[in-house]
Amino acid sequence: KAGVTQTPRYLIKTRGQQVTLSCSPISGHRSVSWYQQTPGQGLQFLFEYFSETQRNKGNFPGRFSGRQFSNSRSEMNVSTLELGDSALYLCASSFLGGSTDTQYFGPGTRLTVL
Amino acid sequence: GDSVTQMEGPVTLSEEAFLTINCTYTATGYPSLFWYVQYPGEGLQLLLKATKADDKGSNKGFEATYRKETTSFHLEKGSVQVSDSAVYFCALSGGGNNQGGKLIFGQGTELSVKP
Repeated sequence: KAGVTQTPRYLIKTRGQQVTLSCSPISGHRSVSWYQQTPGQGLQFLFEYFSETQRNKGNFPGRFSGRQFSNSRSEMNVSTLELGDSALYLCASSFLGGSTDTQYFGPGTRLTVL
Repeated sequence: GDSVTQMEGPVTLSEEAFLTINCTYTATGYPSLFWYVQYPGEGLQLLLKATKADDKGSNKGFEATYRKETTSFHLEKGSVQVSDSAVYFCALSGGGNNQGGKLIFGQGTELSVKP
């Protein structure tokens, strides 16, 4: 079974631009979660989607948004990029997103904001 | 709110040494507990998990027991190898204040194993 895939793997943007990251979950998984990883803040939860609905949201500004499609693929968007948005963005999928479910992570998208 | 605290790294051990990485948590209810490992340049891989009190998760020689009385989930391995060098994350999901689908991570512990 193919794992979680994320595209692109690397991105370089400048301040003020916007960016869209894509995540394809493991086949059959309906829950997709997004995380931001930085050296200073560690791993922080952004949001979770299940059946095309945002079910859970972390403490990030409204510039961070996402969506999920009917095939469970998900995208996240960051508008008006700031230097502090430079991070590794990780996507994870699980079957139903329950608390006992294992979340399987993709390799991440490394975003650099200049 | 819910939180996870791990021992600070980096931890440096010689090959075949015994490993313990401490992890404690704060949560209401009955969360599930996880250990994930991250190798350089990669995403996170599940190492083991436990979903209820007194459960022991184990994988690849690593073990951790869900201790509700001490709110702990310490990671142990009897004999580490150079290939175990990575960053280890303790995490929780669920519990009273945390819905499923959201993992709360500790800060990570970097392990370096020398030959």
